[in-house]
Amino acid sequence: DTGVSQDPRHKITKRGQNVTFRCDPISEHNRLYWYRQTLGQGPEFLTYFQNEAQLEKSRLLSDRFSAERPKGSFSTLEIQRTEQGDSAMYLCASSLNSGGVTGELFFGEGSRLTVL
Amino acid sequence: QKEVEQDPGPLSVPEGAIVSLNCTYSNSAFQYFMWYRQYSRKGPELLMYTYSSGNKEDGRFTAQVDKSSKYISLFIRDSQPSDSATYLCAMDKGAQKLVFGQGTRLTINP
Repeated sequence: DTGVSQDPRHKITKRGQNVTFRCDPISEHNRLYWYRQTLGQGPEFLTYFQNEAQLEKSRLLSDRFSAERPKGSFSTLEIQRTEQGDSAMYLCASSLNSGGVTGELFFGEGSRLTVL
Repeated sequence: QKEVEQDPGPLSVPEGAIVSLNCTYSNSAFQYFMWYRQYSRKGPELLMYTYSSGNKEDGRFTAQVDKSSKYISLFIRDSQPSDSATYLCAMDKGAQKLVFGQGTRLTINP
C-alpha cells in the first residue's frame, strides 16, 4: 500500500495523559499536513511541513500540541495533558507541490482520539 | 460567519436520481475549489479539483464554480448506493491550507 498511513487508528486515553500519533506520507511527497475533524464538521487545518520545516501552525494548535517531521519523512503529532475537548479525528495528508498552490492532498484514514 | 458554508443535510435520494450539492463562500481570495468524498470512519478522498469558473466533468460527476456569486456545486448523475457518503467542499487561496465546509451527508436509497 503506497498511501498515507496513520497509527494508531484509535486511541482511548484518560484526561491528563500524553498521546502521540504517527503519520507516514506517500514517499515522494514533500508536504505533510495535519488536520483535526470533530463529529459533523469538516477538517480544520492544524499545521503543515515542507520537507522537515514546519512552516505554519494554526492558532488551534495550543502549546500542548507539538508536531515534528524529522528528516522530512514521517511525522508525529503529540498532545500533552489531554483534555476532553481534544477528542477528535486527527487526519494526516501529504502532497507533492511547490509554490503557492496547495494542490491535491492525499489523506490517511485518520487517528481517532477519545479522551475520557 | 464561516468562510465556507455548506448545508449539512442529511440528504436522502432514490437510486438513479441526480444529486446537487452546494457551497457558498465569503472570501474572494479563494482560487482553487475541490470536492472530497468521505466514507464513514475513513479519510477524505479527492473527487474534483477546479480552478476557474465554469464546469468540469468526470464521469458521473460535474463540478461547477461561479466566482461572481461565490458559489460552487457538485452534481452526481445516475446516483448509486455506493455514492452514499459525506461530501466536503474545500477551498484554497494559495496559502497551503484548505478551508473545508461542514460536509453534506448523502444517502442513496436502492
